[in-house]
Amino acid sequence: GQNIDQPTEMTATEGAIVQINCTYQTSGFNGLFWYQQHAGEAPTFLSYNVLDGLEEKGRFSSFLSRSKGYSYLLLKELQMKDSASYLCAFRSTGGGNKLTFGTGTQLKVEL
Amino acid sequence: EPEVTQTPSHQVTQMGQEVILRCVPISNHLYFYWYRQILGQKVEFLVSFYNNEISEKSEIFDDQFSVERPDGSNFTLKIRSTKLEDSAMYFCASSASAGSQGTQYFGPGTRLLVL
Repeated sequence: GQNIDQPTEMTATEGAIVQINCTYQTSGFNGLFWYQQHAGEAPTFLSYNVLDGLEEKGRFSSFLSRSKGYSYLLLKELQMKDSASYLCAFRSTGGGNKLTFGTGTQLKVEL
Repeated sequence: EPEVTQTPSHQVTQMGQEVILRCVPISNHLYFYWYRQILGQKVEFLVSFYNNEISEKSEIFDDQFSVERPDGSNFTLKIRSTKLEDSAMYFCASSASAGSQGTQYFGPGTRLLVL
């Protein structure tokens, strides 16, 4: 079957680094996406991995291990505006490009 | 920067009524999607659409749901007879392709409340 897990909540300090983990199970994998979602708003694309390894985009990096069904999102130099829900999603093979989302990790950045 | 737009932002309807949610995908995108998010829950896939056909649909997308691309810019989701449990935020998304450039970009959503 298909499954995706991530922690429900995390708290971190402004200026620090935080790592949000995601594990997934699927029979047909075609990429792992991270989105940011502020309350009441749309998911905003952050990062994408289809091959193993680290992708870096400014303060955000994402890592993928396909053999372990594992990804993480790394946020550096945390800012108060980074307080949001971070959604992990995998894309399935097949013609539909369906994204299957986790429940999201609510990150709270404190002073 | 091009964006997906959706109208209306909010819709209140009575149970059993039909609603049409409208989306304008990013102009050079070819793949279109609808997702929904019930309050406090995860984002759920409803349907994907390419070349004027449904590519994939979920179990949620039953006979009460339909999608249409009535012209060159709009993409609509119709719910024929709304139920209380259809109350959710509905997101439209689009992507340029299905491959490595196939990042899905989401619109701001329509919040549907069924009374």
